[in-house]
Parts: sequence; C-alpha cells; structure tokens
Amino acid sequence: AQSVTQLDSQVPVFEEAPVELRCNYSSSVSVYLFWYVQYPNQGLQLLLKYLSGSTLVKGINGFEAEFNKSQTSFHLRKPSVHISDTAEYFCAVSVPNTGGFKTIFGAGTRLFVKA
Amino acid sequence: NAGVTQTPKFRILKIGQSMTLQCAQDMNHNYMYWYRQDPGMGLKLIYYSVGAGITDKGEVPNGYNVSRSTTEDFPLRLELAAPSQTSVYFCASSDQGARDQFFGPGTRLTVL
Repeated sequence: AQSVTQLDSQVPVFEEAPVELRCNYSSSVSVYLFWYVQYPNQGLQLLLKYLSGSTLVKGINGFEAEFNKSQTSFHLRKPSVHISDTAEYFCAVSVPNTGGFKTIFGAGTRLFVKA
Repeated sequence: NAGVTQTPKFRILKIGQSMTLQCAQDMNHNYMYWYRQDPGMGLKLIYYSVGAGITDKGEVPNGYNVSRSTTEDFPLRLELAAPSQTSVYFCASSDQGARDQFFGPGTRLTVL
C-alpha cells in the first residue's frame, strides 16, 4: 500500500530564513508528486509538481522541491521565507489504481513565519 | 472562469438531519472528488468520479452518497447527519486522474 509521511507537523521559522518541509512516500510503482498550499480558510492550491524529467522542480512563490527516488523523498524548500508564507503545506502522491490513478495526501505541515 | 465552486460555505445541522453539499466546476474536467479535512489528519477521500454517470468510493464513504449526472456538477449528500461528520469538506476536479487537482473553497459543516 502507498503512503505519504510529512515528518514535521509544525515548522516555526523567522522571516528571511531558509526552510525545508520534509515529505517521504512509499510506493512500489512510479508516482507523480505534488505540493499544495492551504492559506487560512481557503482551499488547497497547487505549489509545484513532479511528473517526469528534471528532479528539481520549481514552483510558485519561490518554492522548489527535489525528487529523490532512492530516498523516496520530495522535500520542499525556500531560501528565504516571508510572513505571507504562513500556511499549511500538503505533500501528495498519485499512484496507478484500478480504473486510473488515486491521490494520497500527507497529514500536512503547518509553516509559521515569525517576524 | 470560476473554477470550482462550493455551496454553502457554512452549515450547522442537527443530528439526523440531511443535506446536500453542492459542487460545480466550469473547466470541463472529467475527474471530480470529495474530501473531508479534519485537524491534523490531512485530506481523506470520500467519493470520486471519473466522468458523468460514474462514481466510486474513496477511503471514508460511510454516511455519504454522491451522484454525477453532468460533467459540471458533483453533489455530496448526507442522509442522517452525525457528530462524526463535523468537518470541512472540499470538492476538487482534475482533467486526468494523475494530474494536479483544483480545489473549491470548502464547506464548514458542524453537526450538533
């Protein structure tokens, strides 16, 4: 069975500091990988995705993630965070399933950026 | 292009009442999904649909029903509301099953 583990439930960080949000997955088949962001009282928005090709993926708002197949990881990074990055971040994988694909979400990591 | 819309935004139900959460998308996506989000639990898939007339259960379908008579609409029905169904419900759509999903703003439901 497939699973997604976000290793940190909360990450506090000071403004302009770098941040890494960790995501590991388990799957015996190839996967597509996603990071979504959820601002307070809103739905999820796509931040970035890995489907194939270069393992370093750049997304919106200065975020990037690196797919590491050997470590089954897809960690999200930003070199310098802003107060406005305070939100919940979800890692997700899409795997083949009967009739198509299914998407599995991690439990989320709450990023709190302090002034 | 409104994307994915959900109504209502908030609702309070009494135990045993029924209601329908509405979801519509205007992107001509074949795939649509219903999730519930509970604190610290991420998103759990309730039901999904791969096209009009086709629906299937997700991880947590008990207590819910869906229908998909058109490509645009995917309502979620609660027949006998229970406190365990207190949650935030999100509808989403995608053009293919493996691709990124577009989410609605959510419906916050409280069952008392």
